[in-house]
Amino acid sequence: DIQMTQSPSSVSASVGDRVTITCRASQGISSWLAWYQQKPGKAPKLLIYAASSLQSGVPSRFSGSGSGTDFTLTISSLQPEDFATYYCQQANSFPALTFGGGTKVEIK
Amino acid sequence: QLQLQESGPGLVKPSETLSLTCTVSGGSISSSSYYWGWIRQPPGKGLEWIGSIYYSGSTYYNPSLKSRVTISVDTSKNQFSLKLSSVTAADTAVYYCARLDPGIAAAGGVQHWGQGTLVTVSS
Repeated sequence: DIQMTQSPSSVSASVGDRVTITCRASQGISSWLAWYQQKPGKAPKLLIYAASSLQSGVPSRFSGSGSGTDFTLTISSLQPEDFATYYCQQANSFPALTFGGGTKVEIK
Repeated sequence: QLQLQESGPGLVKPSETLSLTCTVSGGSISSSSYYWGWIRQPPGKGLEWIGSIYYSGSTYYNPSLKSRVTISVDTSKNQFSLKLSSVTAADTAVYYCARLDPGIAAAGGVQHWGQGTLVTVSS
């Protein structure tokens, strides 16, 4: 089974900050990686798929990079609506999925 | 506009079987382009994939839950269902149904989710 490890588990940041979240796969997954944003009481929202492709309607301040085992989600200039929890998900073994443990982005 | 809606009991007793149904509207569950899945989230914790199903009935389960999980599809009703047996308090979670898209539009990501339903395991 492929394990996904996210870091950090939480980050405190201010509006306008650049925030970087990393996700590491236990084995190579090429570019089969997605990123989600989840706000309290809501279903996750797909932000990035195929490691770096921006989902339609998602602001361009979100970007994804990486391939193989190491991936990054970057928010270039944090906005108030970006305070949320972010998850990575591997799709290399689709339709079996694995999610990372999550990263909570909190207000500093 | 595709919509997914979970339904089922919100309270299940320990050792009993949790049963949920996902009704799909605005699209056909028989489309050859997609898979359908169940994902859960215990209160305050992360996301866990439970299993996936294709319209033909092919199933894929999380190894950690495989012995207790059954996912089925009813194409005539445009629904798919989850059964989780021998539940304990650890199975208390929000359960989401979802459409899994392997194509270029989402590359294995989950673009469409149900709103989620909280199932509590308690006597």
